[in-house]
Amino acid sequence: EVQLVESGGGSVQPGGSLRLSCAASGFAFNSYAMSWVRQAPGRGLEWVSSISGSGGGTNYADSVKGRFTISRDNSKTTLYLQVSSLRAEDTAVYYCAKHPYGGYNFFDSWGQGTLVTVSS
Amino acid sequence: EIVMTQSPATLSVSPGERATLSCRASQSVSSNLAWYQQKPGQAPRLLIYGASTRATGIPARFSGSGSGTGFTLTISSLQSEDFAVYYCQQYNNWPYTFGQGTKLEIK
Repeated sequence: EVQLVESGGGSVQPGGSLRLSCAASGFAFNSYAMSWVRQAPGRGLEWVSSISGSGGGTNYADSVKGRFTISRDNSKTTLYLQVSSLRAEDTAVYYCAKHPYGGYNFFDSWGQGTLVTVSS
Repeated sequence: EIVMTQSPATLSVSPGERATLSCRASQSVSSNLAWYQQKPGQAPRLLIYGASTRATGIPARFSGSGSGTGFTLTISSLQSEDFAVYYCQQYNNWPYTFGQGTKLEIK
């Protein structure tokens, strides 16, 4: 059974940083692309960033480019999102999501999410 | 960026009845369209991909159709557990974009 467990969220001041983690199990982690998707309170879903199975390919939404960095440690089956220069509009639940095999860019499994609150 | 527009924003339907949700793309996404269900306090769950293929474990009462710019999610006979928010997502072009959601509520 696929399991994705996020951690690392919290309350931070504008301009601050956090590192979000997503511990994965139940599948061959290094064979699957992974993404972060966020959801602001009471709002819809926004794709944030993706990374290939090897970690060699990444992309980002324009809204976070230059401030967020996605990475993965396949030996630890863990996905990361370093979030920096945080703004109030980054306040959201951050979900890690698994892509299906074959490079398709939809999400067949999701974690339960970790909340990031940016406030002074 | 491809803009995904869902309608209606809220749909009120009685249990046992059929629900039809729409999703329109601002340009063609071929059949690269997914649907998700989200219940309060929960993560989204994949229902449909490739516009019409049900994900593993999804009941047959859920069906998807369409291609290009117009898509439909149909729930043939609503069960109590189906009342939730539904999102469409295109994955034909980067950035991958979601619709704003349709809230399916009990009438």
